[in-house]
Amino acid sequence: GENVEQHPSTLSVQEGDSAVIKCTYSDSASNYFPWYKQELGKGPQLIIDIRSNVGEKKDQRIAVTLNKTAKHFSLHITETQPEDSAVYFCAASRTGGGADGLTFGKGTHLIIQP
Amino acid sequence: DGGITQSPKYLFRKEGQNVTLSCEQNLNHDAMYWYRQDPGQGLRLIYYSQIVNDFQKGDIAEGYSVSREKKESFPLTVTSAQKNPTAFYLCASSKNRGSTEAFFGQGTRLTVV
Repeated sequence: GENVEQHPSTLSVQEGDSAVIKCTYSDSASNYFPWYKQELGKGPQLIIDIRSNVGEKKDQRIAVTLNKTAKHFSLHITETQPEDSAVYFCAASRTGGGADGLTFGKGTHLIIQP
Repeated sequence: DGGITQSPKYLFRKEGQNVTLSCEQNLNHDAMYWYRQDPGQGLRLIYYSQIVNDFQKGDIAEGYSVSREKKESFPLTVTSAQKNPTAFYLCASSKNRGSTEAFFGQGTRLTVV
């Protein structure tokens, strides 16, 4: 089955700096890669996703890159703000959709230092 | 407001007792899911349902049971057979199984003492 590794487990950055979270996956058939943000005591929320037919996707301060050959994908947050503090999860799916097909990484606790 | 609601937010139970967690959605979604989240771990799939009166086991179904009698409701029962039930439980829904976006509830933290 699919295995998703996520690094780092904790990331502390100064407000205004950039943050990068990296994930690798094992199943070359995976074709859908979402990123979720989970605030304390709440459920995860989808913030951005990418499919295997594109290499990069951007939405304001958030971008995701995908390297199919190396089987890794990354989340980039620029100009970080205090409200970016949360746990971020990457996931991979070979079905292209459906939460039952998602394999999640273990999460990255992002801390934005004022 | 449309959304997915889990209740209660916190739940305490004695060891050996069954307990049922509620999940309701008014998004008219066909597919619903239950995940378990442990500290420092990703989300692990317990059960999912694509349509009313149908459900499938996920990766860690042992010790859990579900029902899907209504489209909007997908309750999860944590039975006494679940060896380590203390965890944060998340319910999710998506328009259908092929939909890419899953909407999560706020979660229920279950503590078994």
